[in-house]
Amino acid sequence: NAGVTQTPKFRVLKTGQSMTLLCAQDMNHEYMYWYRQDPGMGLRLIHYSVGEGTTAKGEVPDGYNVSRLKKQNFLLGLESAAPSQTSVYFCASRRTAIYEQYFGPGTRLTVT
Amino acid sequence: ELKVEQNPLFLSMQEGKNYTIYCNYSTTSDRLYWYRQDPGKSLESLFVLLSNGAVKQEGRLMASLDTKARLSTLHITAAVHDLSATYFCAVERETSGSRLTFGEGTQLTVNP
Repeated sequence: NAGVTQTPKFRVLKTGQSMTLLCAQDMNHEYMYWYRQDPGMGLRLIHYSVGEGTTAKGEVPDGYNVSRLKKQNFLLGLESAAPSQTSVYFCASRRTAIYEQYFGPGTRLTVT
Repeated sequence: ELKVEQNPLFLSMQEGKNYTIYCNYSTTSDRLYWYRQDPGKSLESLFVLLSNGAVKQEGRLMASLDTKARLSTLHITAAVHDLSATYFCAVERETSGSRLTFGEGTQLTVNP
């Protein structure tokens, strides 16, 4: 049982490049979330999913897209990276009616 | 729009002293969480507070919730160096996919 894993752990992109971050969970959780964390700030929700095939916008969705084709995976895409997207990205998941979100280890992304 | 505010944002204290971190939120919410984050690490769940008057304790940390005042506190008793970390509160609303809205975090440093 690996919990919540994120791939990659680190990445450096140039402005305008694209990439996809993968979040995987093996706990059969229905809900999954993508957050970003910037220095001196708490986590802010980018997008979330309440089930396979569903996604919704969070607080800061601009510049990101997501997909949840399989229950265990939640993908976060950056189509054209910008320096403002330099951040640490955390994925989380939880089960319905279980009051705890399990967080992944994070992905540190730098856009130059 | 739900806002979550913590204070203080920075706290430097001596070992053996007591202190309280405050978390205020702006609208009615379903649950309140406290997390700990060490530098470069992910978030570790400390407490989930489910209802008005809830109090939970683990070691030197005690969390409480007053839903009427929209206030949660995290009390530290006889601080030790190992408690140095950043502490976040987060508020959950079920109607929005059980998403969490985080405070800015309180960076705690415990000095010998």
